[in-house]
Amino acid sequence: DIVLTQSPALAVSLGQRATISCKTNQNVDYYGNSYMHWYQQKPGQQPKLLIYLASNLASGIPARFSGRGSGTDFTLTIDPVEADDTATYYCQQSRNLPTFGSGTKLEIK
Amino acid sequence: QVQLKESGPGLVQPSETLSLTCTVSGFSLTSYGVNWVRQPPGKGLEWMGTIWNDGSTDYNSALKSRLSISRDTSKSQVFLKMNSLQTEDTAIYLCARDGESLGASYWYFDFWGPGTMVTVSS
Repeated sequence: DIVLTQSPALAVSLGQRATISCKTNQNVDYYGNSYMHWYQQKPGQQPKLLIYLASNLASGIPARFSGRGSGTDFTLTIDPVEADDTATYYCQQSRNLPTFGSGTKLEIK
Repeated sequence: QVQLKESGPGLVQPSETLSLTCTVSGFSLTSYGVNWVRQPPGKGLEWMGTIWNDGSTDYNSALKSRLSISRDTSKSQVFLKMNSLQTEDTAIYLCARDGESLGASYWYFDFWGPGTMVTVSS
């Protein structure tokens, strides 16, 4: 299985930039695509797709959210953060059978 | 609009079999795959398996011996069956649609149901 590593928590001041990282133990690139995706999950809710294939914004997601990276290193950026962005953020790879990172809990100061 | 909704028993006895249903609307099971994902209380997400638009399946290797996913396309329903349940199988079980980009599947999850809580306890 491909293992995804995320920092457990991050605190960012309102209006500043949040950068959440996800590192994999194997390359998740294949034929020009990076098979890395990002989700937001608020307490008591199902996950919501934010970014697919490393950098593509999902439908209805504000442009404050962006993703980048390739190979084994990926980041999700929220700029500027808003109070409503308080949530846990998960990365997920699909180069092989899907696996998720353990999640990064974002606190807005 | 696209919707998914999970249903099933809230409580299952240890060693028994779990049966869950995911009822979908707004899309056809012959056009999109559907995934099952679970989340133990306070923990992260675990992909369990996928039934593809052609009816083929893929399973998490850690669960493969206990898990079966099937569907009834006429009823727009996807079924999960998992046997030999233990307390560590206590979780919220979610179904999610497989996302597509430019007509190709890349195994991400674009629409999710709200989930159903399953507790394994005697």
